[in-house]
Amino acid sequence: RKEVEQDPGPFNVPEGATVAFNCTYSNSASQSFFWYRQDCRKEPKLLMSVYSSGNEDGRFTAQLNRASQYISLLIRDSKLSDSATYLCVVNIGPLDSSASKIIFGSGTRLSIRP
Amino acid sequence: TAGITQAPTSQILAAGRSMTLRCTQDMRHNAMYWYRQDLGLGLRLIHYSNTAGTTGKGEVPDGYSVSRANTDDFPLTLASAVPSQTSVYFCASSDSLGVDTQYFGPGTRLTVL
Repeated sequence: RKEVEQDPGPFNVPEGATVAFNCTYSNSASQSFFWYRQDCRKEPKLLMSVYSSGNEDGRFTAQLNRASQYISLLIRDSKLSDSATYLCVVNIGPLDSSASKIIFGSGTRLSIRP
Repeated sequence: TAGITQAPTSQILAAGRSMTLRCTQDMRHNAMYWYRQDLGLGLRLIHYSNTAGTTGKGEVPDGYSVSRANTDDFPLTLASAVPSQTSVYFCASSDSLGVDTQYFGPGTRLTVL
């Protein structure tokens, strides 16, 4: 089993729809969680951090479920410009300890159609 | 502000040759990272640096070396390239190691033949 798993998609949804995808992680010691967005042939850019209590940024909502070991990203009122690959990132402890890792999921492709 | 820059943008390299990928940031970030991104595998951490003068191994360090002589620069060297090192390489930096937002450079597309 991969340490961080994402449904690769593609998710193809109409403009204005609500779409959600999850990212599961296997290590219960995971400490920090992020969602990054990557456009085709571009570098990843931070979309939002994921906090234990859940957090919202405009049309985007991120949640963490420690019991089931997954994070989620919800996009409301989707726009054409939301088309991208969404990467989840899980940080397992500080990097300078023997048990630490930064793990990127392989990404979920989202395509918004007019 | 330039942020984080990488050079070259792309390169075709003969197997067995050496090459250094350059990475420079102007944000005075303490931590820097090198990743490779391959189709279906996501980004995998090669090496990282917590601060100038220190480096550490990531998930896939074999065949690569790094140095961190100062805060701004974090070059990645392939001593003897092999075709399996064909990939897109991203450099990133963050204020603190592992827990803060990482800012990525535009990437270097490397093909080893």
